[in-house]
Amino acid sequence: DVVMTQSPLSLPVTLGQPASISCRSSQSLVHSDGNTYLHWFQQRPGQSPRRLIYKVSNRDSGVPDRFSGSGSGTDFTLKISRVEAEDVGVYYCMQSTHWPPWTFGQGTKVEIK
Amino acid sequence: QVQLVQSGAEVKKPGASVKVSCKASGYTFTDYYMHWVRQAPGQGLEWMGWINPNTGDTNFAQKFQGRVTMTRDTSISTAYMEVRGLRSDDTAVYYCARDDSLDYWGQGTLVTVSS
Repeated sequence: DVVMTQSPLSLPVTLGQPASISCRSSQSLVHSDGNTYLHWFQQRPGQSPRRLIYKVSNRDSGVPDRFSGSGSGTDFTLKISRVEAEDVGVYYCMQSTHWPPWTFGQGTKVEIK
Repeated sequence: QVQLVQSGAEVKKPGASVKVSCKASGYTFTDYYMHWVRQAPGQGLEWMGWINPNTGDTNFAQKFQGRVTMTRDTSISTAYMEVRGLRSDDTAVYYCARDDSLDYWGQGTLVTVSS
């Protein structure tokens, strides 16, 4: 199974400041079709997860442009350019290149300092 | 708009079974795989498996093989996930999610296993 490792696991951030979450996979996530199936999800307290970014860097409809995804191969990053109060929650990366199973990172808890 | 509406919370005794439903609307049900993901209290997300609503084909994470069944009823655009032989560590919120990139999620169904 592909192991997804996120860091940090806890991220206190000052409002208006940037935040960055790293996600590393135990093997390359480049699929034989040339795509990289690495996605990011946000889970606000008490809510279902919501997809933010798909295939590394594609922002979902309605997702603020302060969220961006980047990376390649085994190293990926989710960045929030300026953290707002509504960004509090847990962020997960997930790969669907090598399956089964689909695998998630452990989650990174973003909180306001 | 795409919606996935799940059945309500359940309380079960160890050894029992539970069946959770996920009713889809706003898109063609048979065009997208349906995945199931669970989240134990205070824990992360765990992928369980998928069903192809068009063919009924399924695929499971190894730890759930033999204990979990996924079915669907295309006439009512509903997917089902059943867990048998419930244990206390099956206590979790169970989510359905559409498509291989999990683009839309249900609201979750809390299953509590307790004697």
